[in-house]
Amino acid sequence: SQTIHQWPATLVQPVGSPLSLECTVEGTSNPNLYWYRQAAGRGLQLLFYSVGIGQISSEVPQNLSASRPQDRQFILSSKKLLLSDSGFYLCAFRVTYEQYFGPGTRLTVT
Amino acid sequence: AQTVTQSQPEMSVQEAETVTLSCTYDTSENNYYLFWYKQPPSRQMILVIRQEAYKQQNATENRFSVNFQKAAKSFSLKISDSQLGDTAMYFCAFMKVNNDMRFGAGTRLTVKP
Repeated sequence: SQTIHQWPATLVQPVGSPLSLECTVEGTSNPNLYWYRQAAGRGLQLLFYSVGIGQISSEVPQNLSASRPQDRQFILSSKKLLLSDSGFYLCAFRVTYEQYFGPGTRLTVT
Repeated sequence: AQTVTQSQPEMSVQEAETVTLSCTYDTSENNYYLFWYKQPPSRQMILVIRQEAYKQQNATENRFSVNFQKAAKSFSLKISDSQLGDTAMYFCAFMKVNNDMRFGAGTRLTVKP
């Protein structure tokens, strides 16, 4: 069966520090991968998506970047975090016409 | 651009009763997919139900069913025999074929004992 993992589950980082969130998928090959951000009590904002290794599309210009070094690995990064980067980050993968989400990472920038 | 609108920020229902959550969307496409996701307090996003636009028959999954009105661009979710575990945020989502998924702002549903 297909599973998706995200880590860390929670993270508290000071302003100006770097960020690296990791997402891995098991049980499927060449999935479409997605990073979303969810502000408290709000909907999901698509940040990045990838249709293959090294192929990244950005939806919103921002302080973040994404990379896909392996087929089933998707990384969200920042060189210097801002207070506005706080939120709940969700990774997702798509199989045919259904999309499945990881457990999420709660990021607090202080 | 496709937009998804959920006009009910919050709703509540008594346990064992039925509740309907509304969703409308805007698209010029003819072939697409619609989804309802549930996000409980754990914040894990769970796929509840999916509807293909080319299918006239409304999708059902146990106590969950949809009313898909393609001409009206409406996609409501009905939860029958509501249970306490149904308390969650519910998101409506739209996806064109081979394109990314767009979400509504969500409806917070509380099931009261």
